[in-house]
Amino acid sequence: GESVGLHLPTLSVQEGDNSIINCAYSNSASDYFIWYKQESGKGPQFIIDIRSNMDKRQGQRVTVLLNKTVKHLSLQIAATQPGDSAVYFCAENLGGGNKLTFGTGTQLKVEL
Amino acid sequence: EAGVAQSPRYKIIEKRQSVAFWCNPISGHATLYWYQQILGQGPKLLIQFQNNGVVDDSQLPKDRFSAERLKGVDSTLKIQPAKLEDSAVYLCASSLETRTNEKLFFGSGTQLSVL
Repeated sequence: GESVGLHLPTLSVQEGDNSIINCAYSNSASDYFIWYKQESGKGPQFIIDIRSNMDKRQGQRVTVLLNKTVKHLSLQIAATQPGDSAVYFCAENLGGGNKLTFGTGTQLKVEL
Repeated sequence: EAGVAQSPRYKIIEKRQSVAFWCNPISGHATLYWYQQILGQGPKLLIQFQNNGVVDDSQLPKDRFSAERLKGVDSTLKIQPAKLEDSAVYLCASSLETRTNEKLFFGSGTQLSVL
């Protein structure tokens, strides 16, 4: 399944499918980007990050893609599991000092 | 390793009352952040401390919000007087340093309801 920016805040996928969550960031000068996962009643949890001098980074079951030309960030989750159900936020660092600006978020729902 | 501790977990107050939130960051983390997360939105930075000094408080509504980290460890965030629009989750986070790409570790937050 695939979400499109902020126009589809909820993404529903079948267990075992791949998920793609998209994010449009605001500032072309941002040099560092992070994806966070937030489960109900908990604080955001770091998933993966990427610096602006890279266009792809892989982690365990997750991949982040960065397209600076169109200011677009995506998070790919392979073989989505029920435990992946959460709200996912992208965040950008607008100018150093670890001052992060968060996007609105996408709710991922995994159907059994 | 203990995470970021916050209390209380929930707080319900009436408008114009005052309220305070407490945060204990991860041991050894020099940088502490307070974020406000309104329902359905991403967290918004209110204030950032490096040890006991303020790094950034540009988005803190200083007419009603105040925060301190006197000894460079624990921190408190206060709202006085509270307004209805202050209803939100207040998240505390910490990182080792302030430089870019230091991971932020978040607490579970304090959910504030202003009636």
